[in-house]
Amino acid sequence: QVQLQESGPGLVKPSETLSLTCTVSGGSISPYYWTWIRQPPGKGLEWVAYISYSGNSNSNPSLESRVTISVDTSKNQISLKLSSVTAADTAVYYCARKTPTGALYFDLWGHGTLVTVSS
Amino acid sequence: EIVMTQSPATLSVSPGERATLSCRASQSVRTNLVWYQQKPGQAPRLLILGASTRATGISARFSGSGSGTEFTLTISSLQSEDFAVYYCQQYDNWPCSFGQGTKLEIK
Repeated sequence: QVQLQESGPGLVKPSETLSLTCTVSGGSISPYYWTWIRQPPGKGLEWVAYISYSGNSNSNPSLESRVTISVDTSKNQISLKLSSVTAADTAVYYCARKTPTGALYFDLWGHGTLVTVSS
Repeated sequence: EIVMTQSPATLSVSPGERATLSCRASQSVRTNLVWYQQKPGQAPRLLILGASTRATGISARFSGSGSGTEFTLTISSLQSEDFAVYYCQQYDNWPCSFGQGTKLEIK
């Protein structure tokens, strides 16, 4: 059974770069697309970015100038970097698998990791 | 970006009764809409895709309907494990967008 596990620092200072890793276990990264989705405390969900096993990527226009997403197939990992963070970036960050149908919805999720932006 | 609006924000229903949750899109998304369930401390789970198709392993108590801008998730005969937050999400238009969620609580 495929499982996703997010990891990374729980506290990031304003203006610094948030870095997270998603490790896929129980299955292969290929041939899927993998995404990051975030949820600020008490608020709704926001899609951040996705990347394929081969490195094709895209991100939410509202964040794309600050987002870097990458994949390491040898480690079965997907990474997210979000630069110049502010308190508005405080959220639970989820790793999820994009459905193989090609449509941009998500059929498998990790449990998420809370990142707080604070000095 | 398409704005998804869910109502009500909180719905109180007794076990065994039926719950009806609504999701409205700011412009047509055809039937390119999914529903997720999220329990406290857990990851969201895909319930419905294509507005009305249950995802693999989802109970027949869950049904989705609608097209265009108006969508409904109906849960018949509520069980204790159904009390959770439900989100709709459109994938018709770039970028995809989510509703703010409806919290289904025990009355």
